[in-house]
Amino acid sequence: DIVMTQSPSSLAVSAGETVTINCKSSQSLLYSGNQKNYLAWYQQKPGQSPKLLIYWASTRQSGVPDRFIGSGSGTDFTLTISSVQAEDLAIYYCQQYYDTPYTFGAGTKLELK
Amino acid sequence: EVQLVESGGGLVKPGSSLKLSCVASGFTFSSYGMHWIRQAPKKGLEWIALIYYDSSNKYYADSVKGRFTISRDNSKNTLYLEMNSLRSEDTAMYYCAKGCYSGDYFDYWGQGVMVTVSS
Repeated sequence: DIVMTQSPSSLAVSAGETVTINCKSSQSLLYSGNQKNYLAWYQQKPGQSPKLLIYWASTRQSGVPDRFIGSGSGTDFTLTISSVQAEDLAIYYCQQYYDTPYTFGAGTKLELK
Repeated sequence: EVQLVESGGGLVKPGSSLKLSCVASGFTFSSYGMHWIRQAPKKGLEWIALIYYDSSNKYYADSVKGRFTISRDNSKNTLYLEMNSLRSEDTAMYYCAKGCYSGDYFDYWGQGVMVTVSS
């Protein structure tokens, strides 16, 4: 199974700061056939279902603010949230869909400082 | 508007069975792979099952293989998860989620249904 390791597990931020969440996979998520990275990011607010933010490592889902930026390739990926707003306080998960069983990182909880 | 509405959860005893349903609307259900994903209380997300758009292939996490069965009825726009031999560790919120044409990321999720396994 592909293991997804996220860091940090939690992050305390002030509104307006830029934050970076890291996700590392135990094997490459880059498929040579199409040069795409099979990596997605989700946001889960308390009491809600997860929401897709980013897929193919860097493609923003429709309606997601452009302050959410996904980057990386191979085994190392990053979600950057620029100018964090109060509504961004949530848990963020990365997920690989390169191979079954699809696996998620353990999550990064974004909290208010 | 895409909607996924799960039902069928509840409190059951260890060793018992339960069948979850997920009714889909707002998209062509028969064209997409569908998934079940669960989340134990205060824990992270665990993908547990995938069924292709035409039911031709099904995949499971090892934690549920042999005990859970995913199925679908495209005429009813409904996804199912039949759960047998339930254990306390199956206690979780169960979400159905829609896959995408190009890859198995999940662009829409249901609100979830709670399954509690306890004596």
